[in-house]
Amino acid sequence: GQNIDQPTEMTATEGAIVQINCTYQTSGFNGLFWYQQHAGEAPTFLSYNVLDGLEEKGRFSSFLSRSKGYSYLLLKELQMKDSASYLCAVKDSNYQLIWGAGTKLIIKP
Amino acid sequence: SAVISQKPSRDICQRGTSLTIQCQVDSQVTMMFWYRQQPGQSLTLIATANQGSEATYESGFVIDKFPISRPNLTFSTLTVSNMSPEDSSIYLCSGKTGEDTGELFFGEGSRLTVL
Repeated sequence: GQNIDQPTEMTATEGAIVQINCTYQTSGFNGLFWYQQHAGEAPTFLSYNVLDGLEEKGRFSSFLSRSKGYSYLLLKELQMKDSASYLCAVKDSNYQLIWGAGTKLIIKP
Repeated sequence: SAVISQKPSRDICQRGTSLTIQCQVDSQVTMMFWYRQQPGQSLTLIATANQGSEATYESGFVIDKFPISRPNLTFSTLTVSNMSPEDSSIYLCSGKTGEDTGELFFGEGSRLTVL
């Protein structure tokens, strides 16, 4: 079966750094997405990785290792507005998106 | 980025009734999808809305329960038929442009509560 695993919930302090991990087992791989979803709102696109390595975009970076079936989202200089759920999704060999359950990130002052 | 508008944003419905959700996208969107997100769970794809023809449903979803229309490129509807409390969920319309990344854009979601 296809599976995306990410922690259910994480807590971090304002101004700090947090890493949200995602591991996947899918039938094929055609890219990995990270989305941010604030409570009661629609998901919004954060990043896309298709090759191994780190993609940096401002305070957010996303890393991919295809051989390990592993990705992480790194958030630096955390702000209270970063409190949200972070969804990992993998595009499989049929170009279907397989979604993780999301990681709820709680930022404390 | 693509703009996707969805309505109603929320509704409270009685068991046994049906509700139609509307989704309007801008012209950049080539493909349209309907997702369901139950509380604390991941997104589940219901179907791909095909312009001018029957939608393509995922396993576990059928046309009789979730009829979908897409009469043109920029508009689609999802009907949740004969609702039961188990249908209480957020329903999300999404679209994809022709970009290589295949990034999905989402509507604001429709939160349905079935009593």
